[in-house]
Amino acid sequence: SAVISQKPSRDICQRGTSLTIQCQVDSQVTMMFWYRQQPGQSLTLIATANQGSEATYESGFVIDKFPISRPNLTFSTLTVSNMSPEDSSIYLCSAYYWDRVFVTDTQYFGPGTRLTVL
Amino acid sequence: GNSVTQMEGPVTLSEEAFLTINCTYTATGYPSLFWYVQYPGEGLQLLLKATKADDKGSNKGFEATYRKETTSFHLEKGSVQVSDSAVYFCALGTGTASKLTFGTGTRLQVTL
Repeated sequence: SAVISQKPSRDICQRGTSLTIQCQVDSQVTMMFWYRQQPGQSLTLIATANQGSEATYESGFVIDKFPISRPNLTFSTLTVSNMSPEDSSIYLCSAYYWDRVFVTDTQYFGPGTRLTVL
Repeated sequence: GNSVTQMEGPVTLSEEAFLTINCTYTATGYPSLFWYVQYPGEGLQLLLKATKADDKGSNKGFEATYRKETTSFHLEKGSVQVSDSAVYFCALGTGTASKLTFGTGTRLQVTL
């Protein structure tokens, strides 16, 4: 199965600062995604990280607030900029891999980064 | 737009009890449906999936049937174990390798 790692696993940050979250996958993948899970809420897609081009953002999310990099097919970063307490969430990256059990492309997720903004 | 509604948790069961976690959806077209599980400290893992009406997805003793007439995809297991304690997410996707829409998740706690 796929291995997706994220760093940091958790952080506590001050209002107005920025945090960059790293996502590393263990093999080359075409599509990577970034999700946010606010307390008691479902996962919400922030953007699709495209290798070699700008990320594609979902409604309600903008590049200035959540800049994303995708320098190669195994790595992506998400920055949460100018943070406020409302940004306190779990941030997850994901990627599609071929799954031999389900015999289809399957979306795998990293363990998440738990962010608290004071 | 697409949406997924799951039953509120937490659900607390004794070991060997029967589990049902309800999931209903709203979508245009013919989505694929998924159940993901998140064990403590880990990422979401695909538990099972179904891609068309009347399909039954199954894995690790869990199963769910894609019911188009009731727009539902309820998760069931005949006899839960303590090791099944986790958060379960229902999700839908449209198209291959597509974005997923998730429910809010249901926490299951199984006790001895």
